[in-house]
Amino acid sequence: DAGVTQSPTHLIKTRGQQVTLRCSPISGHKSVSWYQQVLGQGPQFIFQYYEKEERGRGNFPDRFSARQFPNYSSELNVNALLLGDSALYLCASSRTSGGYYNEQFFGPGTRLTVL
Amino acid sequence: GQNIDQPTEMTATEGAIVQINCTYQTSGFNGLFWYQQHAGEAPTFLSYNVLDGLEEKGRFSSFLSRSKGYSYLLLKELQMKDSASYLCAKDSNYQLIWGAGTKLIIKP
Repeated sequence: DAGVTQSPTHLIKTRGQQVTLRCSPISGHKSVSWYQQVLGQGPQFIFQYYEKEERGRGNFPDRFSARQFPNYSSELNVNALLLGDSALYLCASSRTSGGYYNEQFFGPGTRLTVL
Repeated sequence: GQNIDQPTEMTATEGAIVQINCTYQTSGFNGLFWYQQHAGEAPTFLSYNVLDGLEEKGRFSSFLSRSKGYSYLLLKELQMKDSASYLCAKDSNYQLIWGAGTKLIIKP
């Protein structure tokens, strides 16, 4: 079975541009979470979606938005890119949303560089 | 706050045992994950503790004390391939709250 897939693998943008990152969860998983990981730090929670509804949002500005589609894939959008948005963006899928056992399986990530 | 604290870096010798500690705030706690992350790769699941006590899984074991807000990951018979960052994460109401990770260096 395919694991979590993300596209693109790498991306270079300039300040002020907009970017869309994509994620396909493991088949049968209905929850997708997005994380930002800066080098040398742990992942920071951005969003969780379950059954196409936003279930949680981390401490990120409104420039960050996301959505989940009927097939449970998801997109993360970041507008008005800043240099500080340069990071590894991880997508993780799980069978359920939080509150109980919700082991998250991670995709390979998208490395975003903002120049 | 939501601080998850773990040591920044640890060094151990091949074949030895190492214990990586993690402390967290007990509010909003549903469970505690441990993940392994090799440089440049995504985190991979190691363990999940909900109840107090030690859970053993091969060379890796994880311990939890909910009242103390404390967990540790125990790695036995260390191998060079165990060189990685080890992250603990608190399962808390629709999100995982992550520590910064402990970089484990294995020396021959």
